[in-house]
Amino acid sequence: EAGVAQSPRYKIIEKRQSVAFWCNPISGHATLYWYQQILGQGPKLLIQFQNNGVVDDSQLPKDRFSAERLKGVDSTLKIQPAKLEDSAVYLCASSVATGGLHNEQFFGPGTRLTVL
Amino acid sequence: AQSVTQLGSHVSVSEGALVLLRCNYSSSVPPYLFWYVQYPNQGLQLLLKYTSAATLVKGINGFEAEFKKSETSFHLTKPSAHMSDAAEYFCAVSPLSGGYNKLIFGAGTRLAVHP
Repeated sequence: EAGVAQSPRYKIIEKRQSVAFWCNPISGHATLYWYQQILGQGPKLLIQFQNNGVVDDSQLPKDRFSAERLKGVDSTLKIQPAKLEDSAVYLCASSVATGGLHNEQFFGPGTRLTVL
Repeated sequence: AQSVTQLGSHVSVSEGALVLLRCNYSSSVPPYLFWYVQYPNQGLQLLLKYTSAATLVKGINGFEAEFKKSETSFHLTKPSAHMSDAAEYFCAVSPLSGGYNKLIFGAGTRLAVHP
């Protein structure tokens, strides 16, 4: 079974530039998550999709971050414009469904963003 | 709000020694609890989870964790460390209600294993 795919793996940009990350979840997984992992910290949930609808974006800085999941499969996360403090690893994860007993989240390898 | 505290950002052990990584949670109601491992340049992998069944949970790679409600703890242990265990370990909590499968992570503990 193929895992969660993410691209690019690394990205270096200057502040005020725009950047986009792509995620392809495990086939059949209805729920998709984007996490931000700053160096020395644990991952923080940015946004969670159930199919193509948003169920939690309470910690997404909506003035500069946006995400979409068209057709309930792939997802893109965009930052526009980027700030120095956005330097982090962006992790995508997917799970079978939400609700009821906790369903295991499977993580991709992440995209390491450096903002100069 | 629920949170997780991992005591010790770095732990160093000798190969063959006991591994003990500490995790305490804050919640009035025992939540679901998890341990994840992250190897360099890789995503997180689930080691084990507690979902209100047995308090002693066994996971992959010889790791286990014990849920202690009285201490609000969920420490991770392994009797004998291997060099391959060197990685970063994250404890996480998921609320039982209204959480939509949400995970709240601790800051992580980096485990070093010396020959």
